[in-house]
Order: sequence, then structure tokens, then C-alpha cells
Amino acid sequence: QQQVKQSPQSLIVQKGGISIINCAYENTAFDYFPWYQQFPGKGPALLIAIRPDVSEKKEGRFTISFNKSAKQFSLHIMDSQPGDSATYFCAATPPESDTGRRALTFGSGTRLQVQP
Amino acid sequence: GAGVSQSPRYKVTKRGQDVALRCDPISGHVSLYWYRQALGQGPEFLTYFNYEAQQDKSGLPNDRFSAERPEGSISTLTIQRTEQRDSAMYRCASTLRRPSGGYEQFFGPGTRLTVL
Repeated sequence: QQQVKQSPQSLIVQKGGISIINCAYENTAFDYFPWYQQFPGKGPALLIAIRPDVSEKKEGRFTISFNKSAKQFSLHIMDSQPGDSATYFCAATPPESDTGRRALTFGSGTRLQVQP
Repeated sequence: GAGVSQSPRYKVTKRGQDVALRCDPISGHVSLYWYRQALGQGPEFLTYFNYEAQQDKSGLPNDRFSAERPEGSISTLTIQRTEQRDSAMYRCASTLRRPSGGYEQFFGPGTRLTVL
């Protein structure tokens, strides 16, 4: 069962444009929603994250929009740059378990290419 | 070290052989996760350690997979009698829980396992 669905699979954006990646989740127990950025040959790295008590979080050119009722969240990259070209993963995790477990459930990833 | 390290970075083995994949987490990180990432997909949870205790192994596909973290630092994921379907990128992550309540998993570069 795919608990976090991500779209699109790939995205091509012109330099200076806006990149938008969408995710939908099923598990209402999720309470933390990070986005990870992955460059070729590297592991995923945390980019920005949000909790469901807010509808938007902005850090520089990156913004997460969160719609709790629709169980959807999205990443917006403003003024996209060629250096933003990478694979982006949305993820979600429930509250920490009694054993401290807080494993991430990832979407399938979006390969973003920003053309100069 | 500066980040999570994994070795080997690439492993090619013949079907039926055993392999051991090593993860060296960030010093002081208590929690350690193993994930498996198929090509074109996001990482999927395998197992979780809190210090040296394996608290959750619900994601391990079958009993050919095992993991240990005997001293609460370095961890080894072992796959016995490898099969072609085991071919994937294996990643580990160690976690930092921030005083502010934030949470971040730091991923290693992964071990690319190819079973011939």
C-alpha cells in the first residue's frame, strides 16, 4: 500500500520559473511532513518540513503548502535555478512510537530539471 | 565524522552469496534506520535501532535479512543467500531530535547492491 503518492514523476522548468510538486497521503496519523532533496550519488538531504498545525511554511525560495482536510501537501520552488536540478522526495511520519521509532514513508520522487 | 558513511559504496555479488553492508552513523546519534531504495522509488523502511537495541524489524522482507548494532554505533545489514530481487540501493540514516521539537534524518550515500 502506497501511503504517500507523489506527482509528477518528472518536471522540466525554465530558469526563473516556479516548480510545483504535489503529494497526497492516506494515514491520518502522520504528523510531520518533510521534503528531501537528492543529488546524483548522494543520499537524500532534508530541505524543508512542516507540521499539520500550519498551512504554509516558507524558507527562502522553498515553500510547503499543506491542506490537512484534503490530506495533501506540495512543494513550491520559486525562481527555480539550474542548481535546483535534483530528485525531490516528499515524506511523512507518524508520532514517535513507544520504542522511539519515527520511520519515514517516502513518495516515489520527482526528478526536476531546471533549464538555463 | 562529518556525516553518515556507508561501505562498500558498490557491491556486486553472485546469487547465493552472503553480503554485509556497513553503516557508520554520525557520532552521538542514538537512532539508526536502514532503508532500501529501488531505482526510481523513494526509500522504504527496513529496520530501526535505538542505541544497540533493534526496536523494529518489521520492514525486513524475509529472514535472509538481518541487522545488528552491537555497540550502539556502527551497524551492519547482512543479506544471506542473495537473490536477484535483492538488487537495490541500501541506505542508512541516523537521526537528530532537536530541542525545538524538529526532527531530521541524515542519510548516508548508500550501498548499491547488484546480485548477478
